[in-house]
Amino acid sequence: EPEVTQTPSHQVTQMGQEVILRCVPISNHLYFYWYRQILGQKVEFLVSFYNNEISEKSEIFDDQFSVERPDGSNFTLKIRSTKLEDSAMYFCASREAGELFFGEGSRLTVL
Amino acid sequence: AQKVTQAQTEISVVEKEDVTLDCVYETRDTTYYLFWYKQPPSGELVFLIRRNSFDEQNEISGRYSWNFQKSTSSFNFTITASQVVDSAVYFCALSGLSSGYSTLTFGKGTMLLVSP
Repeated sequence: EPEVTQTPSHQVTQMGQEVILRCVPISNHLYFYWYRQILGQKVEFLVSFYNNEISEKSEIFDDQFSVERPDGSNFTLKIRSTKLEDSAMYFCASREAGELFFGEGSRLTVL
Repeated sequence: AQKVTQAQTEISVVEKEDVTLDCVYETRDTTYYLFWYKQPPSGELVFLIRRNSFDEQNEISGRYSWNFQKSTSSFNFTITASQVVDSAVYFCALSGLSSGYSTLTFGKGTMLLVSP
């Protein structure tokens, strides 16, 4: 069964460092997303991406965040200068037309 | 604006008990989708069901069943004869026409603990 894959599964970084989280969406999907879940809290929408551009973003997705689809398969989330409060599980998701398929998440720990 | 409320923060049951997880939603959209996801201790989000706002028929899948009541804006989830493996956090979510169905609004989740 096709699935969304994310790397790394867990990353530990120092405050102020840049982090790139990678995702490989399901191959025929056209819509891509990043969601975030701070430990013990609900899952929150960050950004959606379609046709090589951001289609929607939340207020969480400020200037320190960026997304990119550098080639035909990868979809990345970059955090330019990490803060302690960026520690969370980051979920990538994709869809064709129907339901959202989530990856297994990348846990980011900022020290 | 959209909102999903899961009033039950945590539920504890003993194996084989039936349990219902509540979900109440708010949306101005006339067309929307409702979802349930399961998040086991390993952390991934597992899709359980998607329901269109036009389809109020209840659904049953094995031990799982869902009760969609548009009149009360509720989409409750029942697990029959619960098992230890059902222990997880369960999230209800909503996506609406106004966002092109492109984003999900999640509730805060209900942690279900099933003990043997």
